[in-house]
Amino acid sequence: QQQVKQSPQSLIVQKGGISIINCAYENTAFDYFPWYQQFPGKGPALLIAIRPDVSEKKEGRFTISFNKSAKQFSLHIMDSQPGDSATYFCAASIRGNTPLVFGKGTRLSVIA
Amino acid sequence: DGGITQSPKYLFRKEGQNVTLSCEQNLNHDAMYWYRQDPGQGLRLIYYSQIVNDFQKGDIAEGYSVSREKKESFPLTVTSAQKNPTAFYLCASSMRGPNVLTFGAGSRLTVL
Repeated sequence: QQQVKQSPQSLIVQKGGISIINCAYENTAFDYFPWYQQFPGKGPALLIAIRPDVSEKKEGRFTISFNKSAKQFSLHIMDSQPGDSATYFCAASIRGNTPLVFGKGTRLSVIA
Repeated sequence: DGGITQSPKYLFRKEGQNVTLSCEQNLNHDAMYWYRQDPGQGLRLIYYSQIVNDFQKGDIAEGYSVSREKKESFPLTVTSAQKNPTAFYLCASSMRGPNVLTFGAGSRLTVL
């Protein structure tokens, strides 16, 4: 059973556009929701994370939106750039208690 | 510089052979993890360890073994019992408590 469902599997966005990646979860005990960014041939790196006591968190061009009642969270990349082309993973965990459970990933391509 | 070192970066093995992937961290992190990455499958947890001399199975532990004799080291052995071992293997570590993972650059194993 997949605990974190991520969509879309791949995404192509024009330079300057908004990239949106969505994730949904079932386990209401999850209380930590990070996003990781991975470039080809590299390990993932933490991009931004949110806890369910806030509905939105913004860091530069990256924003997480969180909807606790719908059990969904999403990553928005504003003014997308070719350098943002990477695979993005959402994840969830019970903070400090369980390992992260990852979504299947979204391959983002930003084209000029 | 602090970080996680995985070796080798690329590894080829014949069917029926065991192979050990190395993971060393100098971040003084308590917990260490092994994930397997396959195209379109995301990151799946193989094993994790929260303290020395203790480790737990993840979602896909069959055909793998680990040890945690030192805080800095968490080697993964891919045994001949693993039916489909060709994959990209990622080691990660974190402080106990917040699940902020630091990943290594990965090891790509190909079974010929």
